[in-house]
Amino acid sequence: ILNVEQSPQSLHVQEGDSTNFTCSFPSSNFYALHWYRWETAKSPEALFVMTLNGDEKKKGRISATLNTKEGYSYLYIKGSQPEDSATYLCAFCRGSTLGRLYFGRGTQLTVWP
Amino acid sequence: EAQVTQNPRYLITVTGKKLTVTCSQNMNHEYMSWYRQDPGLGLRQIYYSMNVEVTDKGDVPEGYKVSRKEKRNFPLILESPSPNQTSLYFCASSPIQGSPLHFGNGTRLTVT
Repeated sequence: ILNVEQSPQSLHVQEGDSTNFTCSFPSSNFYALHWYRWETAKSPEALFVMTLNGDEKKKGRISATLNTKEGYSYLYIKGSQPEDSATYLCAFCRGSTLGRLYFGRGTQLTVWP
Repeated sequence: EAQVTQNPRYLITVTGKKLTVTCSQNMNHEYMSWYRQDPGLGLRQIYYSMNVEVTDKGDVPEGYKVSRKEKRNFPLILESPSPNQTSLYFCASSPIQGSPLHFGNGTRLTVT
């Protein structure tokens, strides 16, 4: 089973703080890296799918970067708001097994007003 | 409305009683997949399907079956459920493998 690590496991920040977390994955045979946002009692929602080394994606106050050579991706949230409270999941797909998606355990973010 | 629909949302059953969790998408997506979520673990892939009549095992396929007879439906079958299959299950679909997944609302299954 392939290992996808997310850190930290949980994070508590104040409203207005900027924050970031990490997803680490195997650097060989890379195909795609997904980020999802999962609010309590809802379903995961896609944020980004990243495929190229050096890729940067942005959606409002949330952005992500990708380094496929060293096997990590960062997710940044600028000026966190209480509505950003959720679990953020990353998922890795390798080229040799398209169709298989390996999820990390997530980073649980709580933003206090 | 574009969506992935799972049924039922909640199910309590007993060991050994066959059950099916249905999943249907109305977006003409090629790719569909099933996951289970357990406390302390990430989403783990059970089975996936790249297209009609094409299915393959994920990380934890034991005790599950799937079929993809038509593009829109991808049911998950538990022939003889056991308590260790108590979990939260998600179905998801995407236009092609590698594009963002659209998740269903989840099915919370309890096997006693």
